[in-house]
Amino acid sequence: KQEVTQIPAALSVPEGENLVLNCSFTDSAIYNLQWFRQDPGKGLTSLLLIQSSQREQTSGRLNASLDKSSGRSTLYIAASQPGDSATYLCAVQNYGGATNKLIFGTGTLLAVQP
Amino acid sequence: DGGITQSPKYLFRKEGQNVTLSCEQNLNHDAMYWYRQDPGQGLRLIYYSQIVNDFQKGDIAEGYSVSREKKESFPLTVTSAQKNPTAFYLCASRPGLAYNEQFFGPGTRLTVL
Repeated sequence: KQEVTQIPAALSVPEGENLVLNCSFTDSAIYNLQWFRQDPGKGLTSLLLIQSSQREQTSGRLNASLDKSSGRSTLYIAASQPGDSATYLCAVQNYGGATNKLIFGTGTLLAVQP
Repeated sequence: DGGITQSPKYLFRKEGQNVTLSCEQNLNHDAMYWYRQDPGQGLRLIYYSQIVNDFQKGDIAEGYSVSREKKESFPLTVTSAQKNPTAFYLCASRPGLAYNEQFFGPGTRLTVL
């Protein structure tokens, strides 16, 4: 059974710092991995989608990497800003099945201090 | 404006009542999903629908029901059989089988009084 873990559960950094959020998964047979951002009381905003054949994806100050063999993904945020404060969730989609179901981690709560 | 809308934003239910959460999308997406989010836990799949008039149970379907009579609508009913319904409910959609990214609505917070 696929399990997704995110460490740390919470992180506080000063503005301007570069930071890395971690996501690990137990079954390497994934189809893709998606990173989301969630503001308090809001829905999820998709940040990056990495297909299993890719090693990384970039969008602005965000860079996500994927190492399937070790069951790990990282989300790198460059030059953090207070507006980056939110909960960051990663989710994987396994091969097989008809659901295209996403299996989520419990998230990392990020606070960027001005 | 294209997107996914959920209503209401907040919903209060008395014990023993059924309530229905609305999810509408104007993105012309084929697949739609309902997830439940509890504090300290990841999102869990309740029901999903790949096409109109078809839907399947997810991991925690007990006490819930859905319908998919129109492509753009996927309402979720929380029945009195759901023992612990207080949670944040998120609806999502996906364009089609060849496209895997899921897009989420703003959510409905359900509280049982």
